[in-house]
Parts: sequence; C-alpha cells; structure tokens
Amino acid sequence: SQQGEEDPQALSIQEGENATMNCSYKTSINNLQWYRQNSGRGLVHLILIRSNEREKHSGRLRVTLDTSKKSSSLLITASRAADTASYFCATDQGGATNKLIFGTGTLLAVQP
Amino acid sequence: NAGVTQTPKFQVLKTGQSMTLQCAQDMNHNSMYWYRQDPGMGLRLIYYSASEGTTDKGEVPNGYNVSRLNKREFSLRLESAAPSQTSVYFCASRLKGTGGRELFFGEGSRLTVL
Repeated sequence: SQQGEEDPQALSIQEGENATMNCSYKTSINNLQWYRQNSGRGLVHLILIRSNEREKHSGRLRVTLDTSKKSSSLLITASRAADTASYFCATDQGGATNKLIFGTGTLLAVQP
Repeated sequence: NAGVTQTPKFQVLKTGQSMTLQCAQDMNHNSMYWYRQDPGMGLRLIYYSASEGTTDKGEVPNGYNVSRLNKREFSLRLESAAPSQTSVYFCASRLKGTGGRELFFGEGSRLTVL
C-alpha cells in the first residue's frame, strides 16, 4: 500500500482564500516532501521538511510535520488561479533505501 | 540544461508486445526512479536505482524490468505488455545524500496497451 494518504482528494476555493492539504503516512521517515503537478506535466518540488523540524515556510507555502501523529499539512496562503494543480506529499525513509513514496494527491482548483 | 529526458512521449502497444522506455539525466545525479501514475492512485514506485550498478524493486515491479546503463541512463522494459500497464510513466532523479534531496522529474511517457 502507498505510504502517504492525502485529504481532501479535491478542493475548490476562491482566489485569495487559503488552501490546506493534509498527508498521513505509516512508517518512520527521514524527511517529507511536497510536490506540485500541473495538468499533463511532470512533478515539481515545492518544499522539504526534515523529521526533526516542525514547521517550514517558503513564500506563500507553510508546511507542518507532526511525527507523533505521522502527518503533515501544506498551507497555501492567498491562493491564485495559477495555483490550480495537483499536490502530492512524498515520504523519504532515507538511509540505504533512498526511495520516495508518494501519496494519492489533492487536486486544487482556485476559481478566479 | 535538459534535466531529465524521457523517450518516447507517447506509445501505443498491442497486448503481448514489448518496449523500452528510455530516461537520461544530465545533472550528475546518483539515484534514478521509475514511477507510474494512474487516475486516483497517485504515483507508485516501480523500480529505482540508488546508485550506478544497483537496482531495487519498488511498490509495483511485476511485469517490468530495468537497466541502469550508466550514471546518466535508466531504462524501463515491458517484456509482454498488458492493458493493466496502460499508464503515464515518469522517470525522476536526484542526488543521494543525508538529509534528503528533491526529485527532478521528466515530462512523462504516455503508454496505451490495447
């Protein structure tokens, strides 16, 4: 089964509103990453948070990580129509395995 | 800088045919990955190569084989294609290192098996 499960599966908001997406995972991790995918394109990395970090910011993005609950959230503030995309979390166990396992994703639609 | 390049971008196969998806990166990355993406399933890891000379199974390896030809190239082979392998395939690469590194993705290869 997949490492990361995200909710909601789909989210529709108005421009200027905030969007929050959640990710839950099952095993211990070295870090957790968020990616964005525009329709028909490859994924693009947004932000990485390490297991010893609780919160990280990058521009309009805020990521939190709760390792005790095995969960993470991605907040996009003051959303824009251009933020419309699918967002995926990916868990990295680190070490020798060096593999990233992705969640099922959240489809975000920002209405102008 | 090309990044990660996948070929072909589109392919239609008949059941039982074989084909190879090619992937090359020019970023001197150690690790390379093959994922498949199906509607509602997110990305699932097929195979990966943590470093040149090694390959390992991911979540859904059945029906696939891989070859890490050199540091730049990582190919995915379907020996006898099945309709269940209709999907979008993504190759990705990254540096290997402590603390984690981001993945860089290709634009995908869209495969249809009839």
